Amino acid sequence: GENVEQHPSTLSVQEGDSAVIKCTYSDSASNYFPWYKQELGKGPQLIIDIRSNVGEKKDQRIAVTLNKTAKHFSLHITETQPEDSAVYFCAASRYNQGGKLIFGQGTELSVKP
Amino acid sequence: DTGVSQDPRHKITKRGQNVTFRCDPISEHNRLYWYRQTLGQGPEFLTYFQNEAQLEKSRLLSDRFSAERPKGSFSTLEIQRTEQGDSAMYLCASSLDVFPKETQYFGPGTRLLVL
Repeated sequence: GENVEQHPSTLSVQEGDSAVIKCTYSDSASNYFPWYKQELGKGPQLIIDIRSNVGEKKDQRIAVTLNKTAKHFSLHITETQPEDSAVYFCAASRYNQGGKLIFGQGTELSVKP
Repeated sequence: DTGVSQDPRHKITKRGQNVTFRCDPISEHNRLYWYRQTLGQGPEFLTYFQNEAQLEKSRLLSDRFSAERPKGSFSTLEIQRTEQGDSAMYLCASSLDVFPKETQYFGPGTRLLVL
C-alpha cells in the first residue's frame, strides 16, 4: 500500500546550523508533497509544499527538493532558530484524486541556543 | 479567526460510551478530511467529503465510526461503543478542490481519552 518513510526521527542542531529531513514515498502516482510543522497540542501547520512538476522550491530559510525518479524529497532549514523546534511531518498525495495525505512518522527537531 | 475549528478540544469518556466531534472548515472550502493521530505518529487518513458526499473511507474506519457532512459545511465524526484503542487526537482539515489551491489546512484537533 501507500507508504511514506521519514528520517531521522529526532534531530538536534545548534542555533544557526542547517537541518535536513528526508522522506521516501512508495506511490509513483503521488504528485503533491507538503511539509507540516506541529507544535505541542496544536494541529499541523503547512510550511512549504512542492508539486511533481518542480524539482526545488524555496521560501526564505526553508527549501524543499524533489527527486521523482528516486521517489525522494527533502526539507532543508537554514540558519535555524529556537522557534524552529517542533515536530515536522512530510506527506504525499495525489491531489487530483481526492488528495488524501499519506504522512511520514515525523521528525522531532530541537534547536539549541 | 477564519481557520478550521474543532469542538470539543478535549474529551474524556468511559469505554463503551458514544462520542461525537464537530469540525467547522474554512467557509469556502468544499473538501473536508478527518485524520487520526496517535502519540509519536503522523496523522492517518480516515475519510473525506467533497461537499456533502463522502467519497473515500479508510480501512481504519471501523463500523463503529461514522462521519457526516449534511449540508456541505460542518462535519461530525461519531464513535460508538468507544474502546481504549480509540484514544487519539482527531484532526480535521479542509481544502478547495481547485489546483493550485488544494492545500489542506488543519484544525487544532480533538484529543480523546477513553478510560
